[in-house]
Amino acid sequence: ETGVTQSPTHLIKTRGQQVTLRCSSQSGHNTVSWYQQALGQGPQFIFQYYREEENGRGNFPPRFSGLQFPNYSSELNVNALELDDSALYLCASSPDRGGETQYFGPGTRLLVL
Amino acid sequence: GDSVTQMEGPVTLSEEAFLTINCTYTATGYPSLFWYVQYPGEGLQLLLKATKADDKGSNKGFEATYRKETTSFHLEKGSVQVSDSAVYFCALEKYDYKLSFGAGTTVTVRA
Repeated sequence: ETGVTQSPTHLIKTRGQQVTLRCSSQSGHNTVSWYQQALGQGPQFIFQYYREEENGRGNFPPRFSGLQFPNYSSELNVNALELDDSALYLCASSPDRGGETQYFGPGTRLLVL
Repeated sequence: GDSVTQMEGPVTLSEEAFLTINCTYTATGYPSLFWYVQYPGEGLQLLLKATKADDKGSNKGFEATYRKETTSFHLEKGSVQVSDSAVYFCALEKYDYKLSFGAGTTVTVRA
């Protein structure tokens, strides 16, 4: 059984640019959640997708957007990057919407210069 | 809003020492509570969970009991090993399915 994978592992962008992060969910999982983990902090919920529809959003501005595809993989897009967007971005998949069944990927580390 | 407060680190211990990481939460209703662990270079892994008051979660020698009266979910292990060195996160979840995490506690176990 393949676990949750994310790409790329590391990324460097400059302020104002746009970035797309990708997540492949675990087989059989229809729900994907994205979290932002700033250095030395706990992960903060960005949003969740269930069966290709957004199913909840945290306190993040609209320049953070996402997609979920029919195969339940997902993308996180961030426009107009700011320095404070530098963080580890975690994707978690689950077979339902419950948090107790979320399996996390290794993350994408984004540095904004 | 819902929040989790956990003991600040870093915590440094010798092998076979007793580990406690305090976690308290603020939430209305009846959240589920979790401990996640993040080993160096890896993603978050669920360590244990408890879904209702007085439940005890346990895994790999770690235990935590859901105490509604004190709104706490402290993590304990009786004898730590070097391999337990990691960052530990306390988290809660309510009906909205999102996990709310504490800031994390870094634990280093010396041989």
